[in-house]
Amino acid sequence: GNSVTQMEGPVTLSEEAFLTINCTYTATGYPSLFWYVQYPGEGLQLLLKATKADDKGSNKGFEATYRKETTSFHLEKGSVQVSDSAVYFCALSLMNTGFQKLVFGTGTRLLVSP
Amino acid sequence: GAVVSQHPSRVICKSGTSVKIECRSLDFQATTMFWYRQFPKQSLMLMATSNEGSKATYEQGVEKDKFLINHASLTLSTLTVTSAHPEDSSFYICSARVGQVNQPQHFGDGTRLSIL
Repeated sequence: GNSVTQMEGPVTLSEEAFLTINCTYTATGYPSLFWYVQYPGEGLQLLLKATKADDKGSNKGFEATYRKETTSFHLEKGSVQVSDSAVYFCALSLMNTGFQKLVFGTGTRLLVSP
Repeated sequence: GAVVSQHPSRVICKSGTSVKIECRSLDFQATTMFWYRQFPKQSLMLMATSNEGSKATYEQGVEKDKFLINHASLTLSTLTVTSAHPEDSSFYICSARVGQVNQPQHFGDGTRLSIL
């Protein structure tokens, strides 16, 4: 089956620290990979995506590289800010009868302190 | 742009009642809408996919008669939880997408449903 595994949180960091949130996937086929972010009290927002092997998605200082050989899509940021505190979801999608169904990981909560 | 509004944000009701949740795309036409359910500290689980004007496609294990989905227009989809019971208590989230494949899904803020 198709699934996404994320590291359990919360991840607690001080401001300006380096962030890594691990994500690995299992898929029957060639998935597109996504990171979504959910800020407190808000809906999910697409943070970045990659659609083929070795692609690097990046946005707002975050980046993730599609690694087919290790079936991974780890999220990184060089220097986190307090405003980055949120829940981060890794997800994949596979084509199915023309729709784009997302399979999510369990989410990882990031807490950044000043 | 690409705002999805979900209403209500929170609802508490008695066991046996039916609850309707609305999902609206405010500034774009959503040919496809998705409904998810999220249990505490778990993933978002896709319940169903709906295209405007046609019947929803339900995921395996989701009761069609329990969770009625209507997608009557390009800007509105509704999820009705019929004869709700405490085990239906959960966080329900909708998303909407413009027709082309590979376009991102835009999510609503979710509805916290509590059945007493």
